Amino acid sequence: ELKVEQNPLFLSMQEGKNYTIYCNYSTTSDRLYWYRQDPGKSLESLFVLLSNGAVKQEGRLMASLDTKARLSTLHITAAVHDLSATYFCAVVLNDMRFGAGTRLTVKP
Amino acid sequence: KAGVTQTPRYLIKTRGQQVTLSCSPISGHRSVSWYQQTPGQGLQFLFEYFSETQRNKGNFPGRFSGRQFSNSRSEMNVSTLELGDSALYLCASSLLLRDTQYFGPGTRLTVL
Repeated sequence: ELKVEQNPLFLSMQEGKNYTIYCNYSTTSDRLYWYRQDPGKSLESLFVLLSNGAVKQEGRLMASLDTKARLSTLHITAAVHDLSATYFCAVVLNDMRFGAGTRLTVKP
Repeated sequence: KAGVTQTPRYLIKTRGQQVTLSCSPISGHRSVSWYQQTPGQGLQFLFEYFSETQRNKGNFPGRFSGRQFSNSRSEMNVSTLELGDSALYLCASSLLLRDTQYFGPGTRLTVL
């Protein structure tokens, strides 16, 4: 059975700092997604990673995929308050399985 | 292009009742998936429909059912509601199976 693990589950960081969220999954998959969810809101698609070594960047967020290690990372550069949200990774096998989410709080 | 819409947005029911939730996908999208989100269990896959056929089903009891219509709109039904069914129910649509999914705002169901 496909398992998706994220860590950390909670992350409090200061503005201007860098940090990485990790997403491990247990079964080979050919696509991995990152989503963002603001409190009380729905999920917003951030990135889709389709191949080993894929790297995508949008603003202060950069996602990468290592299919051999079954690992994806979401790197945050010079965090700002607007990035405070919960971030989910999701892996597709027969259906989409989500990690537990990382609740990120960026403090001034 | 209009996004995914879900109705109703909020619903309060009592145990034993049944409920029907509706989802209208993005125009042109043929795949609709449903998820349940709770603080304890996180996001869990319910089912996926494509061209009016259920393609995948998650590990939920038979009280949870769904369908998709020829215009790709989808409904899910929960019968004999239990307190534990209180959750945010999210619908997502995609062009094809396994494509990027775009989520609706969700229906927040409270079972008393």
